[in-house]
Amino acid sequence: AQRVTQPEKLLSVFKGAPVELKCNYSYSGSPELFWYVQYSRQRLQLLLRHISRESIKGFTADLNKGETSFHLKKPFAQEEDSAMYYCALSGQGGAQKLVFGQGTRLTINP
Amino acid sequence: DTGVSQNPRHKITKRGQNVTFRCDPISEHNRLYWYRQTLGQGPEFLTYFQNEAQLEKSRLLSDRFSAERPKGSFSTLEIQRTEQGDSAMYLCASSPRKGPSYEQYFGPGTRLTVT
Repeated sequence: AQRVTQPEKLLSVFKGAPVELKCNYSYSGSPELFWYVQYSRQRLQLLLRHISRESIKGFTADLNKGETSFHLKKPFAQEEDSAMYYCALSGQGGAQKLVFGQGTRLTINP
Repeated sequence: DTGVSQNPRHKITKRGQNVTFRCDPISEHNRLYWYRQTLGQGPEFLTYFQNEAQLEKSRLLSDRFSAERPKGSFSTLEIQRTEQGDSAMYLCASSPRKGPSYEQYFGPGTRLTVT
């Protein structure tokens, strides 16, 4: 079964501090992993995907197949990073539907 | 093109009534998805279209739910005999024909309240 777990519903850090949002997954094959973000009063949007190996808005995420994790990291948090973050998984082939975690609300304190 | 649009944005209905939602995807996106999101949870997959063909339906989609995508353009999601448990945000997403097929562009959602 496909499953995504985000253990923290809420995460609060100070501006300039490092931030890490945890994501663990369960999938029998080789999944595609994503982070989606939803800023206040905006729609859900893609932040980054593991196959791109890119840094977006200072965020990076490394797929660790051994630990089945895809944690999102940023070395220096900014106030504009405050948002709801969802980790999502898609299996190879098929409908490419997304399986989402329950989300982590990140708050950056000034 | 302003992105995926959904109408209505909000719908309040009484239990037992039927409701229909519409999703207009980004032009030329051939894949269209419906998700449902309840409070405190991430979106849950409901169904998926490639062009006009409905290729997958979740077990969450009971017989009261039906989705269509005539002519492979806009899509409608109908809920018959609504129940209070149907109260949720219904999200639509589309993805393009070319390029990485996994990037989905989401609409603003339709919030359904069943009283």
